[in-house]
Amino acid sequence: DAGITQSPRHKVTETGTPVTLRCHQTENHRYMYWYRQDPGHGLRLIHYSYGVKDTDKGEVSDGYSVSRSKTEDFLLTLESATSSQTSVYFCATSPSSGRAGETQYFGPGTRLLVL
Amino acid sequence: DQQVKQNSPSLSVQEGRISILNCDYTNSMFDYFLWYKKYPAEGPTFLISISSIKDKNEDGRFTVFLNKSAKHLSLHIVPSQPGDSAVYFCAATRLGGNMLTFGGGTRLMVKP
Repeated sequence: DAGITQSPRHKVTETGTPVTLRCHQTENHRYMYWYRQDPGHGLRLIHYSYGVKDTDKGEVSDGYSVSRSKTEDFLLTLESATSSQTSVYFCATSPSSGRAGETQYFGPGTRLLVL
Repeated sequence: DQQVKQNSPSLSVQEGRISILNCDYTNSMFDYFLWYKKYPAEGPTFLISISSIKDKNEDGRFTVFLNKSAKHLSLHIVPSQPGDSAVYFCAATRLGGNMLTFGGGTRLMVKP
């Protein structure tokens, strides 16, 4: 398994405050992803990165920004948290994109509650 | 509109019997499909995949079947074990693409 850690693992915050979640990998994977998991929706892609300083939007990017200044770190920022952003956030990595047999490796998740 | 759907939110089977989890997709551009397994408080882990050039892929107790004309795939687990109790996500992508599109998940409970 890829060495992927997420911090914090749990966070409670108030509406309107900024929040930053961190994903750290030790596998030197090129691609990194942020997903959110909500009941009935499975996992939905927020943003992804295909290299240092190279990022792109996913399916549900509104209200989120990302940054990747080093290969190993991918940060997700909620500029002004809202209750609709209460969710479980997963980071994932992959050595390349879409080649048959290659998959994404997921971190343990961050549970975020916005009051 | 969800492009990948798992219409059964939960499934309960007896230990030793077959578990069949279903997944439907609408996007005909998808050509690579994956199943992930997720235990509580952990991230999803890859289970098995299938390319659209195949209609079946087998790995031990797990077999995935793909019916391209029906845009339907299924995961068979035989025999089911209590340790298989988890949430299973179907995912789809295009080979060479960057994004996985996930279904909503099916919670499988295998009773001893």
